[in-house]
Amino acid sequence: NAGVTQTPKFQVLKTGQSMTLQCAQDMNHEYMSWYRQDPGMGLRLIHYSVGAGITDQGEVPNGYNVSRSTTEDFPLRLLSAAPSQTSVYFCASSYGVGSNQPQHFGDGTRLSIL
Amino acid sequence: QQPVQSPQAVILREGEDAVINCSSSKALYSVHWYRQKHGEAPVFLMILLKGGEQKGHEKISASFNEKKQQSSLYLTASQLSYSGTYFCGTEDPGTYKYIFGTGTRLKVLA
Repeated sequence: NAGVTQTPKFQVLKTGQSMTLQCAQDMNHEYMSWYRQDPGMGLRLIHYSVGAGITDQGEVPNGYNVSRSTTEDFPLRLLSAAPSQTSVYFCASSYGVGSNQPQHFGDGTRLSIL
Repeated sequence: QQPVQSPQAVILREGEDAVINCSSSKALYSVHWYRQKHGEAPVFLMILLKGGEQKGHEKISASFNEKKQQSSLYLTASQLSYSGTYFCGTEDPGTYKYIFGTGTRLKVLA
């Protein structure tokens, strides 16, 4: 039972490059989301999806795009990497945004922008 | 706006107790608590669904007061393994956003 799988685990980019962080879950969860966590800081919501074909912005969406073509996958795209996007990125999923639905997290992607 | 947690950080000796608070400026319909070890992903601890209801996990319990829009996490007789950062999590009312509190760093010393 893999749960939530994120790839890659580590990545170094140069300013201006683009890349896609992958997230896949095998629990048939409808709700998926991306968070970033800066050193010593909390978790800030970037984008989320309540089901295939439906996405919406979180609290810090600028510079990121998402799509949800299948229930299983929710990739996060950095359009033009900037040093301010250096962070740890976590993907999470749950059965749905309801009062008894905890979030299941992937192991994170540690991203450095030079 | 994120729920605010207090204290921001706390240091304990093994066996001591601690309380972590989570307060929201918006209505809270439920609160979840998570613990994150250094370099790892957050791990779910427990859910509080009803006002005043308490849940337990090991020697960790929590309460939830809907009227006061706050929840508290109680760590009793702390162990070294309790060290980490604790987050409360909740739905942002009127949206489908799931958001986390500001976090509390807990360190337990031998």
